[in-house]
Amino acid sequence: NAGVTQTPKFQVLKTGQSMTLQCAQDMNHEYMSWYRQDPGMGLRLIHYSVGAGITDQGEVPNGYNVSRSTTEDFPLRLLSAAPSQTSVYFCASSYSGGSGELFFGEGSRLTVL
Amino acid sequence: GESVGLHLPTLSVQEGDNSIINCAYSNSASDYFIWYKQESGKGPQFIIDIRSNMDKRQGQRVTVLLNKTVKHLSLQIAATQPGDSAVYFCAENIGPGGGADGLTFGKGTHLIIQP
Repeated sequence: NAGVTQTPKFQVLKTGQSMTLQCAQDMNHEYMSWYRQDPGMGLRLIHYSVGAGITDQGEVPNGYNVSRSTTEDFPLRLLSAAPSQTSVYFCASSYSGGSGELFFGEGSRLTVL
Repeated sequence: GESVGLHLPTLSVQEGDNSIINCAYSNSASDYFIWYKQESGKGPQFIIDIRSNMDKRQGQRVTVLLNKTVKHLSLQIAATQPGDSAVYFCAENIGPGGGADGLTFGKGTHLIIQP
């Protein structure tokens, strides 16, 4: 199993550009989520999904969209990038409920100029 | 708002010594706590978890202690090794599911191992 796979690993954008961070998991996990990690701020939840067709907002959802058309994929979209979205983004998945063990991807480092 | 925090941003220990990383939480409704390890350039990895109906849980070389009276969580690493160098995060569950949804992470403690 590959686990949680994120692409791209690095990306540089100009203000106002759009892009999608891809996340795929092959563990048949119902729950998937996106976090951003900033220095001194820890990990903050952006959006999460408890199953295909279901998404919900986390702590910092503004400026991001998500969709969950399949169990495996959970892309994160930035429609109009801003410098404040410069961060490292992590996708994570887990079995729904029960154990809270989140499996994280390797991260995507995004810089918005 | 309520949040998970850490007492020290950096902890330096000698190789072979035991390490203790502390975490304070303020949400009395939290009932599930997790410790994660994040090595440089990688995503966080699950270490150990504990539910609020327990005071202590042991894993391989790691022990988590939960003191609900003072809302304190600690991670003890026995016989610290160079591979233990990482940032350690505690996280609490404040969502309704009791599982991984709604996890709130602390800011992390950087554990440095001295040879």
